[in-house]
Amino acid sequence: DVKVTQSSRYLVKRTGEKVFLECVQDMDHENMFWYRQDPGLGLRLIYFSYDVKMKEKGDIPEGYSVSREKKERFSLILESASTNQTSMYLCASSLGLAAYNEQFFGPGTRLTVL
Amino acid sequence: QKEVEQNSGPLSVPEGAIASLNCTYSDRGSQSFFWYRQYSGKSPELIMSIYSNGDKEDGRFTAQLNKASQYVSLLIRDSQPSDSATYLCAVGLTGNQFYFGTGTSLTVIP
Repeated sequence: DVKVTQSSRYLVKRTGEKVFLECVQDMDHENMFWYRQDPGLGLRLIYFSYDVKMKEKGDIPEGYSVSREKKERFSLILESASTNQTSMYLCASSLGLAAYNEQFFGPGTRLTVL
Repeated sequence: QKEVEQNSGPLSVPEGAIASLNCTYSDRGSQSFFWYRQYSGKSPELIMSIYSNGDKEDGRFTAQLNKASQYVSLLIRDSQPSDSATYLCAVGLTGNQFYFGTGTSLTVIP
């Protein structure tokens, strides 16, 4: 079974802090994704990566950056956390192109920025 | 216009009934369609995928795709309280271009 893990289930940070969210998948998937999910807004794609060191902006990349140094690991970075970044963050991976393939999700990180 | 539209609900059905969840999409070039289930506080998990017109059945779940009318639906037969969740529709266009709907909340009443 595909397993996608995220570094924390719950995280509380202060405004202005630099925040790192890490995601690891164990099935050699090429594609990895970061979403945030907010009530009424659904899943919104922040960034995705289709290969090591490759990344593409999603729908809401502002205020975020990503890093993919190894195939199994995809990190989301909040350079200077703000209260409007309080949200549930979900990582996902897929084998092959996301348009045609199932995405496997991690358990999520609920981030609160005070 | 959103790429993928779902009625947010909540949709309530009695236990044992058929729950019908609908999703419409705007791009006629869409090629693949997915239904995910998300329990409260949990992450989405795939229930069904469908790629061609018609029905696809898997246990109590049936996905129906009508590309001419640009809709995809999910039927849940013999609904159980454990089916209470939010159901997300996802549509894939090409490459890594895909869209999620905002989800429909389903409550199955015992």
